[in-house]
Amino acid sequence: QQPVQSPQAVILREGEDAVINCSSSKALYSVHWYRQKHGEAPVFLMILLKGGEQKGHEKISASFNEKKQQSSLYLTASQLSYSGTYFCGTLSGNTPLVFGKGTRLSVIA
Amino acid sequence: GEEVAQTPKHLVRGEGQKAKLYCAPIKGHSYVFWYQQVLKNEFKFLISFQNENVFDETGMPKERFSAKCLPNSPCSLEIQATKLEDSAVYFCASSQSRSGNGNGYTFGSGTRLTVV
Repeated sequence: QQPVQSPQAVILREGEDAVINCSSSKALYSVHWYRQKHGEAPVFLMILLKGGEQKGHEKISASFNEKKQQSSLYLTASQLSYSGTYFCGTLSGNTPLVFGKGTRLSVIA
Repeated sequence: GEEVAQTPKHLVRGEGQKAKLYCAPIKGHSYVFWYQQVLKNEFKFLISFQNENVFDETGMPKERFSAKCLPNSPCSLEIQATKLEDSAVYFCASSQSRSGNGNGYTFGSGTRLTVV
């Protein structure tokens, strides 16, 4: 079942912060986060495994609440290069990695 | 190599024609995944392989779609008798494991299929 992402789109000024949420109705094994720029391939950002961990990648970090089957991606002090569409992908049981519909992030100067 | 190589980048086919897409995974990656991305950006899982064996084909429209991963050859995705609705970008991804633990899935740059 497809995870639900919110918001669908967000516009930020450089230096502002954003949070993108991903939730599932199924018990999750892991959550992946990818960023895709227009006309390009999705690029892997990070993976969260069940256990409620939080990970960081420069100014981008994420958390995974196993009890709520939710993950959040945190972008701090956004840069122009952060613009793109962010997808979460969820794995549960033996199902393939299922992607959400994406959150379009636009960072403006 | 360290990238997933997909060919061709663009493919135009008339309705009813055959289309064949290729994917060379990263060396050492045992898993290959095919996804279809349509205009609204949604990814649809098609099929996955563990080496040359089909691992999961629950997303494949079996009547027209087929795929293979043979030893020492690029993986392929073939669509017989294409339809307008097959127009999409087809992404191949590879990983060391089904779960992608550690480094996630590495995606190729995609093949844009246009059916006219």
